Parts: sequence; structure tokens; C-alpha cells
Amino acid sequence: AQTVTQSQPEMSVQEAETVTLSCTYDTSESDYYLFWYKQPPSRQMILVIRQEAYKQQNATENRFSVNFQKAAKSFSLKISDSQLGDAAMYFCAYRSASSGNTPLVFGKGTRLSVIA
Amino acid sequence: DAGVIQSPRHEVTEMGQEVTLRCKPISGHDYLFWYRQTMMRGLELLIYFNNNVPIDDSGMPEDRFSAKMPNASFSTLKIQPSEPRDSAVYFCASSPRLVAGGTQYFGPGTRLLVL
Repeated sequence: AQTVTQSQPEMSVQEAETVTLSCTYDTSESDYYLFWYKQPPSRQMILVIRQEAYKQQNATENRFSVNFQKAAKSFSLKISDSQLGDAAMYFCAYRSASSGNTPLVFGKGTRLSVIA
Repeated sequence: DAGVIQSPRHEVTEMGQEVTLRCKPISGHDYLFWYRQTMMRGLELLIYFNNNVPIDDSGMPEDRFSAKMPNASFSTLKIQPSEPRDSAVYFCASSPRLVAGGTQYFGPGTRLLVL
């Protein structure tokens, strides 16, 4: 079974600075997807960014980018120019692509605080 | 599109009562997932459907939990009888078929408290 590990329960960053959230995963599959979801206090799960494992190029979405290291099974999220609205729980998630549209496997999350 | 709709948003009930959570997926999505979030266990899959057919219910805790999807636009998750340990946030998510990306879009969740 696949597992996702987020080793940083909590992180903090100064407004306008850059922060990196770590995620590692364990799988024997070669084809899969990786995601970062944001969960603000409202509890809504919001997709931040996704990465297809077959793509070597790291995904970017505005201030959000990932560092995908397939051999190391690492998938970190970098948030640039941090804003107060970035404060939330961030979940790393894995999904197999080998047998249709499969469920997400989540890490335990990292709580990000943004300091004004 | 209104996104995934869940109701109720909050539910407080007493132990032993029946609880029904409802979900309306995004129109055109073939897959529907039910997840549960607790402090102890994090986010975990309960069950998911493809074209209204249950595919994997191995995450359903016990026989007290049941889920149905009578049509493409509606699903229910029922707990009978409810217990305090069922207190959690229950999320419904839907996604298109894999060839269209397969990204899962979540509803706002139902926060359940069983006293």
C-alpha cells in the first residue's frame, strides 16, 4: 500500500518570505499523480497544485511550485511571497494512475502560519 | 458550476440516532468519493463509486455505515446507530474520468458531532 509522509507538523513563515513544505511517499508504482491541497479554517479542501509522475518538469501555479524528485520519492511545495491568506493546513496526497481513477492517499498535514 | 454540494454542513445528534449525510457531485463527473477526517486518523477514504456503482468500500468502519448512489447526481452516507467515535468531518469529492485529468474536487464537508 502507498503511504505519504509529511514530517513537519507545523511551519511558520514571515509575510513576503518563501517557505518549503516537505512530503515523501512510498510506492512501487511508476505511474501516479501527486497533489497538494490547502485546508483553511473553513475546512474546505482546495487544490493547490498537481504533478504527473511521468512529467519531469516541476509544476508551477503562480506563487506555488513543487520540487518533484521521483527517484527520491520526494514532492515538496514551495510558496513564494507568502501572504496572510496562505495560512492553512497543507496536505500532500498521492493517487495511483494504474487502474482508473483511484482514491487519494493523504499525509497527516502541515499547519502553516504566516507572520505579519 | 456550483461545485460539490454537501448537506447538512453541521449535524449534532445523540448516540444511537440515525444520521444521513448527502452529496451532490459536479455534473458530468463519473467518480464520487466519501472521506472522513479526524484528528487521530487524518483523512481517510470510506468508499467510492464509479458511474453509481460502489468500487471499494473497504474503508467503511463497520456495518453501521452504509452508502448509496441511486443516480449520477446524488449520494448518501448513513450511520445507524451513531456513536461518539463517529464524530468527524465527512467530505464528499467528485472527479471526472481519468482521461480528463481525474482531479478530485471536494465539497465543503459535513461536521458531525455525536453526543
